[in-house]
Amino acid sequence: DIQMTQSPSSLSASVGDRVTITCRASQSIRTYLNWYQQKTGKAPQLLIYGASSLQSGVPSRFSGSGSGTDFTLTISSLQPEDFATYYCQQSYNSLPFTFGQGTKLEIK
Amino acid sequence: QVQLVQSGAEVKKPGASVKVSCKASGYTLTNYDINWVRQATGQGLEWMGWMNPNGNTDSAQKFQDRVTMTWNTSISTAYMELSSLRYEDTAVYYCTRAAGWYSGFDFWGQGSLVTVSS
Repeated sequence: DIQMTQSPSSLSASVGDRVTITCRASQSIRTYLNWYQQKTGKAPQLLIYGASSLQSGVPSRFSGSGSGTDFTLTISSLQPEDFATYYCQQSYNSLPFTFGQGTKLEIK
Repeated sequence: QVQLVQSGAEVKKPGASVKVSCKASGYTLTNYDINWVRQATGQGLEWMGWMNPNGNTDSAQKFQDRVTMTWNTSISTAYMELSSLRYEDTAVYYCTRAAGWYSGFDFWGQGSLVTVSS
């Protein structure tokens, strides 16, 4: 199985900050990498698919990059509603589709 | 609008089975993959299994002898049945939709809490 490792596990930041979360795959997954946001008590929401494609309706302050084994999710200017937990997920070539362990983004 | 509406919370005893339903609206169920994901309280997301429009299924190795995924196309509803329940199966179970392996899980059900308790 492909292992996904996110860093950091938690992060404190302020409104207006630029934030970057990284995700590393245990083997190349080309650009089969998705990012999700989950708020407490809610289902996850797809932010980015295919490593860098913004899901419809997602604000443009969210962006994704990377290919192969190393990926990043960037929030260009944090808004109050962005404080949540973020997960990466790979969907390359063969099952299982594995998730990273999550990054909890908290208000500083 | 696309919606996935799941069945309500369940409490089951160890060794029992649970069947979670996921009713799709706003699109044709069999035109998209359905994936099942679970989340124990305070924990991360765990992918369980997948069904494609051809009705093919596959699941994570840890669930392969316990999970059954089906759908009833006449009522646009997908089902996930988990048998031989253990305390550690207590979690929120989500159904999700995907247009393919490159598209991500673009719509999610609201989640169904399954509690395993004696």
